[in-house]
Amino acid sequence: GIQVEQSPPDLILQEGANSTLRCNFSDSVNNLQWFHQNPWGQLINLFYIPSGTKQNGRLSATTVATERYSLLYISSSQTTDSGVYFCAVEQGRTGANNLFFGTGTRLTVIP
Amino acid sequence: GAGVSQSPRYKVAKRGQDVALRCDPISGHVSLFWYQQALGQGPEFLTYFQNEAQLDKSGLPSDRFFAERPEGSVSTLKIQRTQQEDSAVYLCASSGWGLGNTIYFGEGSWLTVV
Repeated sequence: GIQVEQSPPDLILQEGANSTLRCNFSDSVNNLQWFHQNPWGQLINLFYIPSGTKQNGRLSATTVATERYSLLYISSSQTTDSGVYFCAVEQGRTGANNLFFGTGTRLTVIP
Repeated sequence: GAGVSQSPRYKVAKRGQDVALRCDPISGHVSLFWYQQALGQGPEFLTYFQNEAQLDKSGLPSDRFFAERPEGSVSTLKIQRTQQEDSAVYLCASSGWGLGNTIYFGEGSWLTVV
């Protein structure tokens, strides 16, 4: 099956710093999403981004589908950004959101 | 409701006990998913419903796991004869149909088998 690798596995930042999280995947995909899981376990969809670049406030994401990677940028990090960031992909074209998740990047932002 | 609701939030079961986990998806969402998340891991797909039809159950780990969505809204994940390796967070998610639809997750049901 498809392999989804995320790096780094753990990241500690000072509040206000910027960071880049990476997601590599081993095969072509039709759906790629970034999620944030807060310390209480809630998974929140950040971006649906099978290709191209999107921005939402301090967050932006870029997927280069031909090179099979995606990047999530966090600027001016805040303590509320802490949690685990997951990249998830889907290979089918059904639109069913049957997602395969990576192992995540655990981000800790310290004041 | 405004989001995906799951119950119970926490369940401690004795090994061998049967458990049932409930999911109330966002009203009108066609697609419903169950995922299993072990400690320190990413969620893993269990099963998928489109309305009341279970279109994919390839992720269910054994025949002790059973899911249903009889009226195309509320879903129940049942685990029979629980074992310690079943301990995990069980996440339910729902979305509209088609590529690009945002998927919304519930807060999960945390199952501990002792």
